[in-house]
Amino acid sequence: AQSVAQPEDQVNVAEGNPLTVKCTYSVSGNPYLFWYVQYPNRGLQFLLKYITGDNLVKGSYGFEAEFNKSQTSFHLKKPSALVSDSALYFCAVRDPSAGNNRKLIWGLGTSLAVNP
Amino acid sequence: DTEVTQTPKHLVMGMTNKKSLKCEQHMGHRAMYWYKQKAKKPPELMFVYSYEKLSINESVPSRFSPECPNSSLLNLHLHALQPEDSALYLCASSQGSQGRAGNTIYFGEGSWLTVV
Repeated sequence: AQSVAQPEDQVNVAEGNPLTVKCTYSVSGNPYLFWYVQYPNRGLQFLLKYITGDNLVKGSYGFEAEFNKSQTSFHLKKPSALVSDSALYFCAVRDPSAGNNRKLIWGLGTSLAVNP
Repeated sequence: DTEVTQTPKHLVMGMTNKKSLKCEQHMGHRAMYWYKQKAKKPPELMFVYSYEKLSINESVPSRFSPECPNSSLLNLHLHALQPEDSALYLCASSQGSQGRAGNTIYFGEGSWLTVV
C-alpha cells in the first residue's frame, strides 16, 4: 500500500538558518513526489515535484528537495529560512503503476515556524 | 497567485439550506477536483472530473452533489448538511486526465464553509 510519512509535526528554526522538512514514502513502483505549502487561512500552493531525472529538484520561493531512492525519502530544504516561510507543509506521493488508483496520497503535514 | 478561482470565500448555512460552491479555472486543464480539508489536516479527495465526466466519487454522502457544466467550471451543490461538514472546501485542477500521475494538481484558495 502507498503511504507517506512526515515524522515531525512541528519544526522550529531561526531566521537565516537552513531548514529541512522531512518526508519518507512507501510505494510499490517508482514514486512521483510532490511538496505543497499552505499559509494560514489560504489554499494549498504547489512548491515542487520529482518525476524522474536529477535527484535534486528546485522549486518556488527558494525551496529544493532531494529524492533519495535508497532511503525512500524526499526531504524539503531551504538554505536560509525566512519568517514568511512559516506555514504548513505537505508531502504527497503518487504511484504511477497503481492503475486507476493514482490518487495523491498525503502526509499529515509539518508545521514550520521560523523565529525572528 | 492561483489560477483556480473559488466563490464564495466564506459561507455560513443552516442545516436545511441549499447552497452551492463554485470553481473556475482558465488553464485549459481537463481534470477538476473537489477536496475537503479540516484544520491542520491533509486534504481529503471527494470527487474527480475528467473531461467533464465524473470519474471518482470517494463515497461522499449524497448531500454533496458535484456538477461540471463545462471544462472550466465545477460546482458543488450542498443540501441538508451537518455541522461536521464544516470545513475548507478546495477546488483543484490538473492538465489531462486525473490518471496522469505526473500531472501537478493546482488548488484554489478554498471556500470556508460553516454549517450551523
